[in-house]
Amino acid sequence: EVQLVESGGGLVQPGGSLRLSCSASGFTFSSFAIHWVRQAPGKGLEYVSAISHNGGSTYYIDSVKGRFTISRDNSKNTLYLQMSSLRPEDTAVYYCMREIYYSGSRWFDPWGQGTLVTVSS
Amino acid sequence: DIQLTQSPSFLSASVGDRVTITCRASQGISSYLAWYQQKPGKAPKLLIYAASTLQRGVPSRFSGSGSGTEFTLTISSLQPEDFATYYCQQVNSSPFTFGPGTRVDIK
Repeated sequence: EVQLVESGGGLVQPGGSLRLSCSASGFTFSSFAIHWVRQAPGKGLEYVSAISHNGGSTYYIDSVKGRFTISRDNSKNTLYLQMSSLRPEDTAVYYCMREIYYSGSRWFDPWGQGTLVTVSS
Repeated sequence: DIQLTQSPSFLSASVGDRVTITCRASQGISSYLAWYQQKPGKAPKLLIYAASTLQRGVPSRFSGSGSGTEFTLTISSLQPEDFATYYCQQVNSSPFTFGPGTRVDIK
């Protein structure tokens, strides 16, 4: 079964740091780009970051640029999101998703179950 | 960044109803659009990609259409398990933004 499982969420104070992990199974992890999306409590989905299949290319939205770092260890089938200088507005459930790219189109499937990050004093 | 709007933001419908949700993009995105369903406390689930291709395992009562700037998701006969929030996402260019969502509730 193709699966992504996030971990590492929790309660952190403003200005603090946290590292999220996304563990993959059931597919050749090193062949796929992976993305992060977050969802604040009661709100919609916000695209956050992405990394290419070999880690050579990364992307961040402006609000997390310089504070978040996405990386991957293909030998461990694991994706990471290192978050620092956290702000209350970073409070959200964070999801990782696999990108499928074919014939010029892309889509994201599956998604992990999500991990909750709460930034509060 | 490409902005997506969805209409309506909320709709109340009965089992068996035909439901249509519209997603509009701030600029042309060809057919680079996906639709997701999200139930409370769960991760979003892919329904349709490339605007009109049904993801494997998704019931055929779901369909998608459109290209350019206007897209629709149609549920031909609403079932009890379809009450959820639906999001569109453009995958034309980064950031791959989402629409604000359409919540479908039981009438």
